[in-house]
Amino acid sequence: NAGVTQTPKFRILKIGQSMTLQCTQDMNHNYMYWYRQDPGMGLKLIYYSVGAGITDKGEVPNGYNVSRSTTEDFPLRLELAAPSQTSVYFCASSYSHPGLLNIQYFGAGTRLSVL
Amino acid sequence: DAKTTQPNSMESNEEEPVHLPCNHSTISGTDYIHWYRQLPSQGPEYVIHGLTSNVNNRMASLAIAEDRKSSTLILHRATLRDAAVYYCILFPANSGGSNYKLTFGKGTLLTVNP
Repeated sequence: NAGVTQTPKFRILKIGQSMTLQCTQDMNHNYMYWYRQDPGMGLKLIYYSVGAGITDKGEVPNGYNVSRSTTEDFPLRLELAAPSQTSVYFCASSYSHPGLLNIQYFGAGTRLSVL
Repeated sequence: DAKTTQPNSMESNEEEPVHLPCNHSTISGTDYIHWYRQLPSQGPEYVIHGLTSNVNNRMASLAIAEDRKSSTLILHRATLRDAAVYYCILFPANSGGSNYKLTFGKGTLLTVNP
């Protein structure tokens, strides 16, 4: 079972470059999330989506953009990369419905360095 | 969001039980207590959850205080593979919008000695 798949696993960017972090899930989950984790810290929510075509900001959205054109895919776009965006990025998904437990399933992460 | 407080780190020996505490004195009546763990260089994974009663699953047990202001994750026999950061997270049972996001603190780093 693939679950949540993130690509690439590692990437080094120069300041000002752009890139897209890919995330896909095969569990038919309606909710998807992007988190970032700085060294020694917990995860912070960047953006989330409650379904195809619907996205919303999390705690730290500045410098990022997302789209959700299909249930399976939730790419994260970095425009004009900055050193402050050096982090590990995790994508997650869940089946969320009122009254049901929301268990999130995470990908293995993308380690991004901006130099 | 209701906050949780966990020790920064704990140490255990292999094959011994481990009790990981979590304080959540401002928990509301509809908050579930979730535990996730993050193995080195991996994404977090769900461990267990509970509301009021103690819970057991194949990975761990969750003991919840009667007043719900604290809980303890119990690993009955720690193995080297249990070395990870353990996060205690409160999650509201009601629905809607950003109520579905998990709020991660720094968690407890568990070291397991052979």
